[in-house]
Amino acid sequence: GQQLNQSPQSMFIQEGEDVSMNCTSSSIFNTWLWYKQDPGEGPVLLIALYKAGELTSNGRLTAQFGITRKDSFLNISASIPSDVGIYFCAGPRVGSGAGSYQLTFGKGTKLSVIP
Amino acid sequence: KAGVTQTPRYLIKTRGQQVTLSCSPISGHRSVSWYQQTPGQGLQFLFEYFSETQRNKGNFPGRFSGRQFSNSRSEMNVSTLELGDSALYLCASSWSQGGNLTGELFFGEGSRLTVL
Repeated sequence: GQQLNQSPQSMFIQEGEDVSMNCTSSSIFNTWLWYKQDPGEGPVLLIALYKAGELTSNGRLTAQFGITRKDSFLNISASIPSDVGIYFCAGPRVGSGAGSYQLTFGKGTKLSVIP
Repeated sequence: KAGVTQTPRYLIKTRGQQVTLSCSPISGHRSVSWYQQTPGQGLQFLFEYFSETQRNKGNFPGRFSGRQFSNSRSEMNVSTLELGDSALYLCASSWSQGGNLTGELFFGEGSRLTVL
């Protein structure tokens, strides 16, 4: 079945540093999504990517939709303590149809920021 | 605009019991999805409802069921609880037109179920 492999699983960085994480799949995805989950809360959508090669920014966050459609990257610049959380990549399951919300999620990258 | 509301936030059940979880989507959202989150398996899709109809179903046993009401509110039910059902159950809503903008889900805070 479809799987999304995220790396790294966890990372500890110093405040102010840039962060890079990625998500790969053996299957093609037509949409890539990046979510962040804070402790005790549900995931929040950060960035949505709909086109191969697309590069999209949301403040200090930048994500790219890989041209092979099998990977995506998320970068966070100048990290701050509130960036702490778990970052998930996700995409609609192939065959679930347009407008479907049946998402496959990666296992997440847990980010810790040292002040 | 109020977010997705899930109740209860926390509950403890014993094996063999059943549980019903409730979700109120964002006003105007017609699609409601349910996900199970565990440390081992991560986030896994349970089912999605749109206009009171189940549109998609994940790979979970028949003990897991759900429904959606005419006001888009949704409930999910787990019968004959097992220890492995302990998880955070997340509800997400979206304004679905059936178009190409897939995946823009808005999640609630979840219902944390512990089965003893």
